[in-house]
Amino acid sequence: KNQVEQSPQSLIILEGKNCTLQCNYTVSPFSNLRWYKQDTGRGPVSLTIMTFSENTKSNGRYTATLDADTKQSSLHITASQLSDSASYICVVSASTGGFKTIFGAGTRLFVKA
Amino acid sequence: DADVTQTPRNRITKTGKRIMLECSQTKGHDRMYWYRQDPGLGLRLIYYSFDVKDINKGEISDGYSVSRQAQAKFSLSLESAIPNQTALYFCATRGGDGPQHFGDGTRLSIL
Repeated sequence: KNQVEQSPQSLIILEGKNCTLQCNYTVSPFSNLRWYKQDTGRGPVSLTIMTFSENTKSNGRYTATLDADTKQSSLHITASQLSDSASYICVVSASTGGFKTIFGAGTRLFVKA
Repeated sequence: DADVTQTPRNRITKTGKRIMLECSQTKGHDRMYWYRQDPGLGLRLIYYSFDVKDINKGEISDGYSVSRQAQAKFSLSLESAIPNQTALYFCATRGGDGPQHFGDGTRLSIL
């Protein structure tokens, strides 16, 4: 069964600290993995995309990693800011006929001053 | 102005009522999607459309229908709303191999 599991479910950190969010997936055959940020009351916004051959990609203070062998990805946030408070959603797409994109349930991050 | 606009943003209605959620986009994308988001679950696909003449069911299409009135417009209907359809609904568009672009959602409550 195609699944995407994220951990932790929620996380509280102090402003300025770093954190790492995890994503494990069983989607096959793998096409790509995206991380989205969803602010409260808003729709998700894409942060990064990673394909099979990529193992690291950065977008400002956000760095995503991918280990296609173990089917794991992480999103590392450096020097967190209050505006980083949001849900972070891991989304994995399969390279198969039709449409197969699986969304994780997200990690809810709270950054405190 | 937002690239993907959903209306209404909030709606409270009663069981058995017919409801239409509307989505319009200015991105010029052919692909449009409807999802629902429930607490503790990932977004789940209801319907998707790759062009005006193409409509496809997603994983949870029962109880829903859609209409692609134009490239820029994709509406979702609940013919006879039931309480377990209470959720946050998102419309999204996609161009080529790019990411999906989401609207800000419609919060629907069915009493």
